[in-house]
Amino acid sequence: GENVEQHPSTLSVQEGDSAVIKCTYSDSASNYFPWYKQELGKRPQLIIDIRSNVGEKKDQRIAVTLNKTAKHFSLHITETQPEDSAVYFCAASAPGGYNKLIFGAGTRLAVHP
Amino acid sequence: KAGVTQTPRYLIKTRGQQVTLSCSPISGHRSVSWYQQTPGQGLQFLFEYFSETQRNKGNFPGRFSGRQFSNSRSEMNVSTLELGDSALYLCASSFGDRGRTGELFFGEGSRLTVL
Repeated sequence: GENVEQHPSTLSVQEGDSAVIKCTYSDSASNYFPWYKQELGKRPQLIIDIRSNVGEKKDQRIAVTLNKTAKHFSLHITETQPEDSAVYFCAASAPGGYNKLIFGAGTRLAVHP
Repeated sequence: KAGVTQTPRYLIKTRGQQVTLSCSPISGHRSVSWYQQTPGQGLQFLFEYFSETQRNKGNFPGRFSGRQFSNSRSEMNVSTLELGDSALYLCASSFGDRGRTGELFFGEGSRLTVL
């Protein structure tokens, strides 16, 4: 069935370091891959997304890469700051279109000053 | 513009009871999705409604149901509550263009505790 695996489950870095979170999806028909950030007690918010016709996308300190052959996609955060501390969720669209997303279990990122 | 609004924000029920949660989407959004969030499980898709029709359904038992009204507001209902239903229930809205999944805008959620 549809599945998204996300690693690591927790990640601790020093301020200024880079952080990388990796996800693997199961269904090759998935074509949309968003990343959501959820701060403690708050709602998930989209930080970046990528579609299957693109291999990489950047937005300031955040980048996402997609390898369709391996069914992998990754989130890269450079020059981390304490405000980057949150839980990050990757997701893959379920085949058939519409708005069904399959989420990974989340990565808790802690950025230490 | 106003964001996605969910009510109630917190509620406590006992096993066997039923509960109804409400979601008002962003104005102009016709798609409303519901997700269950539990620690360590991420977000699990429940169902999605578009123009009052259920377009997608997740792998939850029939005790979980939903509906959407003509003004795009949505409700979800859980009957015969079990302890394992304790979770944060998140609603998300989007434009819902056919064939093109896009950004979901989440509400703050309804936290359900079943005793």
